[in-house]
Amino acid sequence: GAVVSQHPSWVICKSGTSVKIECRSLDFQATTMFWYRQFPKQSLMLMATSNEGSKATYEQGVEKDKFLINHASLTLSTLTVTSAHPEDSSFYICSAIDPTGGGSNQPQHFGDGTRLSIL
Amino acid sequence: GQSLEQPSEVTAVEGAIVQINCTYQTSGFYGLSWYQQHDGGAPTFLSYNALDGLEETGRFSSFLSRSDSYGYLLLQELQMKDSASYFCAVRDAGGNTPLVFGKGTRLSVIA
Repeated sequence: GAVVSQHPSWVICKSGTSVKIECRSLDFQATTMFWYRQFPKQSLMLMATSNEGSKATYEQGVEKDKFLINHASLTLSTLTVTSAHPEDSSFYICSAIDPTGGGSNQPQHFGDGTRLSIL
Repeated sequence: GQSLEQPSEVTAVEGAIVQINCTYQTSGFYGLSWYQQHDGGAPTFLSYNALDGLEETGRFSSFLSRSDSYGYLLLQELQMKDSASYFCAVRDAGGNTPLVFGKGTRLSVIA
């Protein structure tokens, strides 16, 4: 079964709206979660690393004031797209590493993604 | 930083074998992973190589040569449901560092 739960799976909203996406680790505690964005027919691009109890680390070119990340507990990270515009329409995927599994390969589990469409 | 190169598209016949290559450049290396992603879905883990050689999991195998910074995913007995995008990904450090993905290879399996 899923070990990372992401909600909602689909959002359609008007331009200017803020949208919150939740990412939960179900079977393990994740001090670190990752947020990716994927445009159609492109790869997954890392947006930011979400750290429990501290500020997120954003990749170059990602606006931290537009994509607010909160990691308030060891099992929950949220991404808020503030004042979303059509160019923010994309597939957003969260991910978390299970620190207890895999030996040298700590598995990185992915949520089912959130398809965001801004009209 | 990291960069990964893989072919953008591959077409193969049902029942055949296909190999998807991946070359990478990273500052550090903590293994090469492969993910499958169907249209509209999330990536799902297929395989992982930390050491040189071949790893086999059912119809899928993955190979790594660290000296060549090269790996491949081998899919045997292709089925129509294998039509998807396949991504190689690396992690350049241990611990809580994220995977960096290649641009993906779109595999089309035809009858």
